[in-house]
Amino acid sequence: QVQLVQSGAEVKKPGASVTVSCKTSGFRFNKYGISWMRQAPGQGLEWMGWISAYSGHTNYAQKLQGRITMTIDASASTIYLELRNLRSDDTAMYYCAREKDPSDFYPFFDYWGQGTQVTVSS
Amino acid sequence: DIVMTQFPDSLGVSLGERATFNCKSSQSLLSRSNNKNCLAWYQQRPGQPPKLLIYWAFIRESGVPDRFSGSESGTDFTLTISSLQAEDVAVYYCQQYCNTPFTFGPGTKVDF
Repeated sequence: QVQLVQSGAEVKKPGASVTVSCKTSGFRFNKYGISWMRQAPGQGLEWMGWISAYSGHTNYAQKLQGRITMTIDASASTIYLELRNLRSDDTAMYYCAREKDPSDFYPFFDYWGQGTQVTVSS
Repeated sequence: DIVMTQFPDSLGVSLGERATFNCKSSQSLLSRSNNKNCLAWYQQRPGQPPKLLIYWAFIRESGVPDRFSGSESGTDFTLTISSLQAEDVAVYYCQQYCNTPFTFGPGTKVDF
């Protein structure tokens, strides 16, 4: 069955970087795109960016440009999210999610990781 | 950016009653490639990731009960639960996937 399993919770100081992993299984990895979303405490969902597991092509939310990098390790069917220069308002639950239909760039998400809590605090 | 608005913020509904969620986009979500609206609905129960319910505004995801339905009128979208069940207590989000950044509405919380 399709699974996306994320790495564990992180606590970071302001200005640091964090890397969250999303290990996938149960589907043909290089056929799909994966997006990252985050959800601040008690808030809604924010799309952060997308990466094609086929080509490595990325599309990032403009507000995060310069601080975000998404990469893939195809041999491990794993996607990584790196966020740099962390601020207190980056404190959130971070989710990876698979796009349901990889045939076109219209990402809606049928499988989600369990979430990774990232806390930024001095 | 496309702004997604949802109303009401919260909804108090009794078991077995009909629940209606509204979502409005600041621009057309009509896809030129297939003439469908790029709009999805998700359910998020406490402590869980979101679950896809509806996509292309009205197509029910496999395994989703048929009491959930989606409809559209221009830039206005509606999710309806025909008969609310206990397990439907959650926050419901709409998402547009026409243009980046893909944006979500602020959500509507359902409880009894």
